[in-house]
Amino acid sequence: DQQVKQNSPSLSVQEGRISILNCDYTNSMFDYFLWYKKYPAEGPTFLISISSIKDKNEDGRFTVFLNKSAKHLSLHIVPSQPGDSAVYFCAATTQTGANNLFFGTGTRLTVIP
Amino acid sequence: DGGITQSPKYLFRKEGQNVTLSCEQNLNHDAMYWYRQDPGQGLRLIYYSQIVNDFQKGDIAEGYSVSREKKESFPLTVTSAQKNPTAFYLCASSMHSPYNSPLHFGNGTRLTVT
Repeated sequence: DQQVKQNSPSLSVQEGRISILNCDYTNSMFDYFLWYKKYPAEGPTFLISISSIKDKNEDGRFTVFLNKSAKHLSLHIVPSQPGDSAVYFCAATTQTGANNLFFGTGTRLTVIP
Repeated sequence: DGGITQSPKYLFRKEGQNVTLSCEQNLNHDAMYWYRQDPGQGLRLIYYSQIVNDFQKGDIAEGYSVSREKKESFPLTVTSAQKNPTAFYLCASSMHSPYNSPLHFGNGTRLTVT
């Protein structure tokens, strides 16, 4: 059973515009969330994270928003750049089960120049 | 340059043969992990190890085995008992648990069993 879901397999955005990638989760025990970015033929790399005590975390062009009541998080990329084209994975974990990260299925972002 | 090295990048085996995937890290990380990725699915945890000579099963450990004799190395053996071994395998490490230190991933090994 997929506890972390990314319902959009792909997203295309024009360069300079905002990219919004969405992620839903079912386990209310999750209290730490991460986004990883993956280029073809490479392993995922960590992008940004958020703890459940916050509802927003920002790092440069990347902002993650967390809505605990809706069990939903989103990653905003502003402005989008062609180099952002990659697969983005959402992941979640709990402090007690912290050795296991539960990953979503990924969203392929294409930024069109 | 610190990182995680997985070898080989592509691996082909006949059904019924065991195969071992290599994973080495020089990041001095305590914890290491093996994940499997299948089309249309997220990464799923096979095994993890928090310290040398200790490892724990993940969600899909059946048909796999690991060892952690050295801090730097965490090889994964895909045995003939694994029913669907063809997949993309990713090794990762972290300083501590993923809760407070991000995972660093290798570039993966694509295993094809025919």
